[in-house]
Amino acid sequence: EVQLVESGGGLVQPGGSLRLSCAASGFTFTNYWMTWVRQAPGKGLEWVANINKDGSEENYVDSVKGRFTISRDNARKLFYLQMNSLRVEDTAVYYCAKEDWSIPDWGQGTLVTVSS
Amino acid sequence: ENVLTQSPGTLSVSPGERATLSCRASQSVSSNYLAWYQQKPGQAPRLLIYGASRRATGIPDRFSGSGSGTDFTLTISRLEPEDFAVYYCQQYGYFKTFGQGTKVEIK
Repeated sequence: EVQLVESGGGLVQPGGSLRLSCAASGFTFTNYWMTWVRQAPGKGLEWVANINKDGSEENYVDSVKGRFTISRDNARKLFYLQMNSLRVEDTAVYYCAKEDWSIPDWGQGTLVTVSS
Repeated sequence: ENVLTQSPGTLSVSPGERATLSCRASQSVSSNYLAWYQQKPGQAPRLLIYGASRRATGIPDRFSGSGSGTDFTLTISRLEPEDFAVYYCQQYGYFKTFGQGTKVEIK
């Protein structure tokens, strides 16, 4: 069974930083791109970033380019989202997910709140 | 960026009735890389349909997807109580975008 477990969310001030982690199990981690999707309170889904199987390619939505960095550790089956220069509008539940072109498997999400 | 527009915003339907949800893309969706997801309050989204018309594992056959190019449809043939939720379309080409969602509520 595929399991994706996020951690690292919390309350941070505007301009601050946070690193989200996602622990993966139940599948061959190195065979899949991984992705982060977020959902602001009461709003829809927004794709944030993804990373290819060996970590050599990253893609980002324009609103986070230059501020967020996605990475992965294939030996430990972990992947990350480093979030810097956080803004109030980054407040959301962040989901880690396994891609198979579409997104068949999701974690339960971790809440990031950016507020002073 | 390929913008996806879903309609209607809210659909009021009685249990047992048919629901038809629309997703229109601002540019053609390559290779029909179009998916539909269901999300219930407090839960992660669940993949229903990929490749515009292929049901994901374990999805009941009352859910069906159709369309190509820029116009796509999700049909729920007979609504069950557990189907009342928010539905999102997504194009998953090189970059991924979601529609804004359609809420299916009990009439």
